[in-house]
Amino acid sequence: DGGITQSPKYLFRKEGQNVTLSCEQNLNHDAMYWYRQDPGQGLRLIYYSQIVNDFQKGDIAEGYSVSREKKESFPLTVTSAQKNPTAFYLCASSVQGANSPLHFGNGTRLTVT
Amino acid sequence: RKEVEQDPGPFNVPEGATVAFNCTYSNSASQSFFWYRQDCRKEPKLLMSVYSSGNEDGRFTAQLNRASQYISLLIRDSKLSDSATYLCVVTPYGGATNKLIFGTGTLLAVQP
Repeated sequence: DGGITQSPKYLFRKEGQNVTLSCEQNLNHDAMYWYRQDPGQGLRLIYYSQIVNDFQKGDIAEGYSVSREKKESFPLTVTSAQKNPTAFYLCASSVQGANSPLHFGNGTRLTVT
Repeated sequence: RKEVEQDPGPFNVPEGATVAFNCTYSNSASQSFFWYRQDCRKEPKLLMSVYSSGNEDGRFTAQLNRASQYISLLIRDSKLSDSATYLCVVTPYGGATNKLIFGTGTLLAVQP
């Protein structure tokens, strides 16, 4: 079955450490996205990529980095510069074109202490 | 005013009840609309796209009112399994998928 896989499901890190969240999709979607979800807030876009080897900052990119070396993969690195990294991180993908709905991975819950 | 607003709830309803949620949006040029369902501590899943003419999928009906700038979701004959948070999602003019605006969600709790 096609889908989006995020790993790990739960991640615990000490403050000051970088951490990389994995996102893999086999839906053959060109576009991929990273969102974070915090209690009481709507999903906020961190980074997105519409094609391999290209990506753009979303609304809250500071303290994060991404790469898109393969169509299937869009890993997110949460760096020590991110002031409040504890959150639920969601990866999504979509077909190219306007008004396309997003398909989400199962999420990674990151806790930084 | 927030770009997309939803009543956070919770909406506590008995099994078999009919329940409706509204979602208002501020930009009259918004182009497409979706309802997603999100279970506790899980990812959002697409429930329905919302078309201008309204659409129905089983017990679920979605409506769009452009004049008043809101979309609605009606759930008939509520089941325990309908308990979840329902997210309203709006795409601005042009339909760019990197510009989706998510509401904060409405929590539905269906009681036995």
